[in-house]
Amino acid sequence: GEDVEQSLFLSVREGDSSVINCTYTDSSSTYLYWYKQEPGAGLQLLTYIFSNMDMKQDQRLTVLLNKKDKHLSLRIADTQTGDSAIYFCAVLPLSGGSYIPTFGRGTSLIVHP
Amino acid sequence: KAGVTQTPRYLIKTRGQQVTLSCSPISGHRSVSWYQQTPGQGLQFLFEYFSETQRNKGNFPGRFSGRQFSNSRSEMNVSTLELGDSALYLCASSTGTGEGDEQFFGPGTRLTVL
Repeated sequence: GEDVEQSLFLSVREGDSSVINCTYTDSSSTYLYWYKQEPGAGLQLLTYIFSNMDMKQDQRLTVLLNKKDKHLSLRIADTQTGDSAIYFCAVLPLSGGSYIPTFGRGTSLIVHP
Repeated sequence: KAGVTQTPRYLIKTRGQQVTLSCSPISGHRSVSWYQQTPGQGLQFLFEYFSETQRNKGNFPGRFSGRQFSNSRSEMNVSTLELGDSALYLCASSTGTGEGDEQFFGPGTRLTVL
């Protein structure tokens, strides 16, 4: 089955850019998502990209997709303390008509002043 | 539009007991998925219900079961609780009819097994 890998922690200074990386194994994946989880809350969809796209920008967020390397990244510009959270990469494999994405373990982003 | 609600938010049980968790999806959503979140394993898919039928299932033992009612509300049951079942249980709802349609998550139920 699909395997999604993320680094566990990232620490950045307020105002800097954050880049969270994700790799996946199923090259037929169609949708690739980034979710954010704040303490005590469920996951919130931040953005997503179709597999036929290389880049998507949404305000401070930029998603880059390298299909050849099966690598997805999320860049947060001008990172703020309110961006401190766990960020999950999720991938929807093209298999059996399932609409259930596979999640990575999440990257804890720590933003310090 | 009300979001996904889960009850209870916190639960403490002892080994061997059983527990039932509830999830109310967003109005109009027919798909409810359940996930187990632990620090060691991350987010793991349990099962998905769509129109009262289990449509997808993850790799969990038979102690974990669920059901969905005609109003799309879903319950998850764990029997013979083990210490390792301590986790945050999240449910997510979606229309369930389109590839890539967004899953909306509830705040979760924090289960502690003593």
